[in-house]
Amino acid sequence: EAGVTQFPSHSVIEKGQTVTLRCDPISGHDNLYWYRRVMGKEIKFLLHFVKESKQDESGMPNNRFLAERTGGTYSTLKVQPAELEDSGVYFCASSQDWGADTGELFFGEGSRLTVL
Amino acid sequence: GIQVEQSPPDLILQEGANSTLRCNFSDSVNNLQWFHQNPWGQLINLFYIPSGTKQNGRLSATTVATERYSLLYISSSQTTDSGVYFCAVEGYSGAGSYQLTFGKGTKLSVIP
Repeated sequence: EAGVTQFPSHSVIEKGQTVTLRCDPISGHDNLYWYRRVMGKEIKFLLHFVKESKQDESGMPNNRFLAERTGGTYSTLKVQPAELEDSGVYFCASSQDWGADTGELFFGEGSRLTVL
Repeated sequence: GIQVEQSPPDLILQEGANSTLRCNFSDSVNNLQWFHQNPWGQLINLFYIPSGTKQNGRLSATTVATERYSLLYISSSQTTDSGVYFCAVEGYSGAGSYQLTFGKGTKLSVIP
């Protein structure tokens, strides 16, 4: 069974440009999460989808970030326009369950974003 | 929200040495996971261990949920073990979702 896959593995863009990251969760997992680690800091939660609905987007830093999950399958995270402080690694995770015990979250290997 | 503290923040080991990484958390949790972020930034799942002990090769982990801590043991360390080790626990975000809260990590450097 395929794990969580993310694309691209590394993206280098200039400040002001747009980047779209993609995540394919494990098949059958309704829950999809985005996290990121910027500037050597701890990994922080961005948002959580249950199927195609945004359950919690309290971690989204500002309105330059837009996440979508069309049809409850793959998800995209768009950064527009990108700023220098957006550089870091963006992680996607999925899980089968939701609620007080989500069970194990399976993480992808991350998409490294470098904004010059 | 839930607090997660990891120690030590940095650790340098000679190849072949053993080490113990610690994770303390502030509240009872249903989910605790250990991850390894390698030097290329990739996040590798190590253990899902809300309680008890698990072993995988040279790595093992123990969580004592009643005392709110978890330990990650690395035996016979290799240079490929270098990177940052994260502990993450599940907590309620207060905004409608349960999510993992990560510690700041332990940066491990294994030297030949």
